[in-house]
Amino acid sequence: QSALTQPASVSGSPGQSITISCTGAGSDVGSYNLVSWYQHHPGKAPKLMIYEVIKRPSGVSNRFSGSKSGSTASLTISGLQAEDEADYYCCSYAGSSTGVFGTGTKVTVL
Amino acid sequence: QVQLQESGPGLVKPSETLSLTCAVSGYSISSDYYWGWIRQSPGKGLEWIGSVYHSGSTYYNPSLKSRVTISLDTSKNQFSLKVSSVTAADTAVYYCAREISDRTTFSFESWGQGTLVIVSS
Repeated sequence: QSALTQPASVSGSPGQSITISCTGAGSDVGSYNLVSWYQHHPGKAPKLMIYEVIKRPSGVSNRFSGSKSGSTASLTISGLQAEDEADYYCCSYAGSSTGVFGTGTKVTVL
Repeated sequence: QVQLQESGPGLVKPSETLSLTCAVSGYSISSDYYWGWIRQSPGKGLEWIGSVYHSGSTYYNPSLKSRVTISLDTSKNQFSLKVSSVTAADTAVYYCAREISDRTTFSFESWGQGTLVIVSS
């Protein structure tokens, strides 16, 4: 069970849109519509931003959206804001009631 | 609103067993949901350790399965994590969390604030 692959860093200017990819295998991302995304500010608890590929928990801004194509899931942040600067992790169900996180992406707001 | 709080020793010696507890308030852990443990080693990403269903069924990361035990204590409304034969690689911030729905989708909506455990002699 290998970690899902994410770019180490993504950056954008305020107001722009950025997309973070999350590439897995046929046994995880590619097999289930059970990909979630977490925002993690250092020193704080991770925050669930997207679940089941496209769903947003109550209270999460609609500037965050998710999608999936084959074995790659994506998180898009539109209208980038300074407060969006954080680490982002994807996570996928991997069968047999197990899950795997991504390698993490540091988002920098320029 | 459910709240989770991790507790346990902040320092564990190599080869010993790491034991943590997650106290839950605002919801009965025996009613529903999957409850999980996730960790983050210094400078590294998040790692799912394992989860326990409200019924007591457990599920573990295959890479840690031989050393990990997760259990429920419904009388105290808490669940626990034990990691045996620890090494420096087990040094991490450990989080407990609850999934967003009653089926396991690895969508942890509610989290504790995390507790740092250092493995060192």
